[in-house]
This record gives sequence, C-alpha cells and structure tokens, in this order.
Amino acid sequence: AQKVTQAQTEISVVEKEDVTLDCVYETRDTTYYLFWYKQPPSGELVFLIRRNSFDEQNEISGRYSWNFQKSTSSFNFTITASQVVDSAVYFCALSPWGRDDKIIFGKGTRLHILP
Amino acid sequence: DVKVTQSSRYLVKRTGEKVFLECVQDMDHENMFWYRQDPGLGLRLIYFSYDVKMKEKGDIPEGYSVSREKKERFSLILESASTNQTSMYLCASSPINKKAEAFFGQGTRLTVV
Repeated sequence: AQKVTQAQTEISVVEKEDVTLDCVYETRDTTYYLFWYKQPPSGELVFLIRRNSFDEQNEISGRYSWNFQKSTSSFNFTITASQVVDSAVYFCALSPWGRDDKIIFGKGTRLHILP
Repeated sequence: DVKVTQSSRYLVKRTGEKVFLECVQDMDHENMFWYRQDPGLGLRLIYFSYDVKMKEKGDIPEGYSVSREKKERFSLILESASTNQTSMYLCASSPINKKAEAFFGQGTRLTVV
C-alpha cells in the first residue's frame, strides 16, 4: 500500500520562528518521486519541490529547506524565519515511477503564521 | 505564464441538476486530473485522462463522469448533483512520463443545495 502521512493537522507559530512540517510515506516501490505543494487561501496548489528516490541530498531554496531520509521514509519541510505570507496549507505527495495517474497526497498541514 | 484555468471559482447548484465543471490548460500536457478536496480528507482523485478521449477512474468516481474531446480541455460532469458533492474541485495537468510536477487550477468551490 502507498500512503503519505502528515501527522500535523494544524500548526501556529509566531512570525520569524522556524517551523518544520513532517511528512512520512509508505511505498514498496524502489523508484518514486516526492513532492511538496503549497495551497494559499486563493486555492491554487503551487509546486514547491520534487525529489526522486535516488537523490537523498537535502535542498535549500531561500528560507525553505527539505530533509529527505529514506531510512525513515520521511521528507520533512522546514521554513526558516517564517513570514505571514507563508500561511497556507502544505501538502506532501508521493508518485510511483511510471505511474502518471498516481499522485498520493497527504491530508495537508494548515500553517498559521501569527504576526 | 503557464496556466490551468477552471471556468468558475464558485458555483451554487440545486440537487438533481446536471453540473459541468470545465478545465483548460495551455501547456500541451497529455495528463489531466480532477481531484476533490474536503477538510480532513485531503485531495482525492476522481478521474484521470492521459490522452484525448481516454479516461481512467480514480479513487472516488461514483456520481461523476468526464469528457476529454480536445487535449487542452477536461470536463467533470455531475450527472445529478447531490448535497454530498458539495466540495472544492481541483483540476490539474502534467506532461506524460516525465514525472514533472502537476500544475493546478485555482479550484471551483461547488455548493449543492
């Protein structure tokens, strides 16, 4: 079975704090892709990052960073020095190699950044 | 700027009505998707299409059908709307076999009364 678990339903932090959103996945495939999407109040899901299962290098993009650990089947997302504009719902997703139709989404984490 | 455009942001329909949700993408993508998003349930796939006139059922196809007569357009049809179909509907597209990210529309919030 393939599954993505985002255990944190809702998180609130004060602006400028760092925050980590957890993502744990389950798959028997050896080759797969992982994604993070952001859904601001406007509703459109915005792509943030894609990682394939062979690339465990962590990635940093400005205030955003991602920690991929195959050993724990986790793909966590950290926002450093959070800002009010980071308030959104964040989705982690898993897609098996060769299955265009399969994108398994977690249930999302709603992040509130308080001014 | 690449785009997936859904025809309506908000819709209110009556129980029993036939409802059409339209989605158009301008990226020449082969794959198109319809998802439903509900609180606490995340995104659930209703239907997927990988080519014109081709469709596959997703996880929750009951009560829905789709149409893809042109590559850029993917329509979701509620044959007889019911109150339990009140939800946010999201359309997405992606290129085939490239494992690129999916691009999403802005969503249609449908209320069935």
